[in-house]
Amino acid sequence: DGGITQSPKYLFRKEGQNVTLSCEQNLNHDAMYWYRQDPGQGLRLIYYSQIVNDFQKGDIAEGYSVSREKKESFPLTVTSAQKNPTAFYLCASSATGSYGYTFGSGTRLTVV
Amino acid sequence: GEDVEQSLFLSVREGDSSVINCTYTDSSSTYLYWYKQEPGAGLQLLTYIFSNMDMKQDQRLTVLLNKKDKHLSLRIADTQTGDSAIYFCAERLNYGGSQGNLIFGKGTKLSVKP
Repeated sequence: DGGITQSPKYLFRKEGQNVTLSCEQNLNHDAMYWYRQDPGQGLRLIYYSQIVNDFQKGDIAEGYSVSREKKESFPLTVTSAQKNPTAFYLCASSATGSYGYTFGSGTRLTVV
Repeated sequence: GEDVEQSLFLSVREGDSSVINCTYTDSSSTYLYWYKQEPGAGLQLLTYIFSNMDMKQDQRLTVLLNKKDKHLSLRIADTQTGDSAIYFCAERLNYGGSQGNLIFGKGTKLSVKP
């Protein structure tokens, strides 16, 4: 079955450590997105990529980094520069001209 | 910048109809969407409407679009406890470097009381 997979579902890290969240899709979608979700704040766009080897900053890119070396994969690194990294992270993908995004099931990151 | 607004909470009784409202700002949006998010999960696409339509019906869901007022609504008939979730409205940007990106509202939390 085609879909978008985020792993792991839960992630715990110590303050000051970098951590990488995985997002893989087998839908042959061109575009991929990373969102952060905090209670009552809706979805905030971190980074997006419309084609391989290219990505753009979203509204809250500071303290995050991404790469897009393969069409299927769009990993997100939460660096130690991110001041408040504890949140629910959602990855999404879409095809050009499509009827919306397909979302992964999310990764809940807790930094202690 | 573009913005999508929706009320944060709605509470209804099981069996009643629910109406979730949304306003958007980009008059050139070609597609508008409703997504559902259950606790601890990702977003699922519920339905979408093309901007040249006024209404779209899909089983218990009815979407109404007032393009003049930039107002979108989602009506859920015979609301069930399983409909309890957060509902997000989204518009598709139709211009600029972010063309094709979706702008989401903050979500309306629907609580269904038995």
